[in-house]
Amino acid sequence: QQQVKQSPQSLIVQKGGISIINCAYENTAFDYFPWYQQFPGKGPALLIAIRPDVSEKKEGRFTISFNKSAKQFSLHIMDSQPGDSATYFCAAASDNYGQNFVFGPGTRLSVLP
Amino acid sequence: SQTIHQWPATLVQPVGSPLSLECTVEGTSNPNLYWYRQAAGRGLQLLFYSVGIGQISSEVPQNLSASRPQDRQFILSSKKLLLSDSGFYLCAWSAGHKVNQPQHFGDGTRLSIL
Repeated sequence: QQQVKQSPQSLIVQKGGISIINCAYENTAFDYFPWYQQFPGKGPALLIAIRPDVSEKKEGRFTISFNKSAKQFSLHIMDSQPGDSATYFCAAASDNYGQNFVFGPGTRLSVLP
Repeated sequence: SQTIHQWPATLVQPVGSPLSLECTVEGTSNPNLYWYRQAAGRGLQLLFYSVGIGQISSEVPQNLSASRPQDRQFILSSKKLLLSDSGFYLCAWSAGHKVNQPQHFGDGTRLSIL
């Protein structure tokens, strides 16, 4: 029940296209959903995060959509650029879980020039 | 601003040798601290977390251990490394005693066991 599922495992998008990564969870106690971006040889960096009281959050070209009833959330990258090529992780956290993050397995995004 | 440092960046160790990886955080006090392992092309596995000095919780039984001798210092150790200990080790911190706080990661240590 602590698992976070993430799809697709890998994604290839043309420059200028929209990249969409989906995550799903089971534990309804989760109340914080961050997304991380990781470049090779580096640690993950926080990209954007959402709480379940809103259905959408946008920061620049990155948007999180959140569907509380379906227990799903997704990351949309608009106008994808080759510099966005990285691995993306979704995560979920809950005060009931000691604020420890449960991470999805990651999506490797490649944006072709 | 807060920063997190991990060292060394890369390490090659023989099987059976000891290990000590260090992580320090600057610019904050009473952080929660975390050690993760990431296998090649895989997700993040939480190994240990700490909410205070001397307070360590283990998520996965293994031959690794963690210690927090100071508020902003977190150490990952092993007495005898196994081949399966190879991986990318990440330290992270979050604001302590607060909910819904992001975790901030260091740049990791690439550990190769020969």
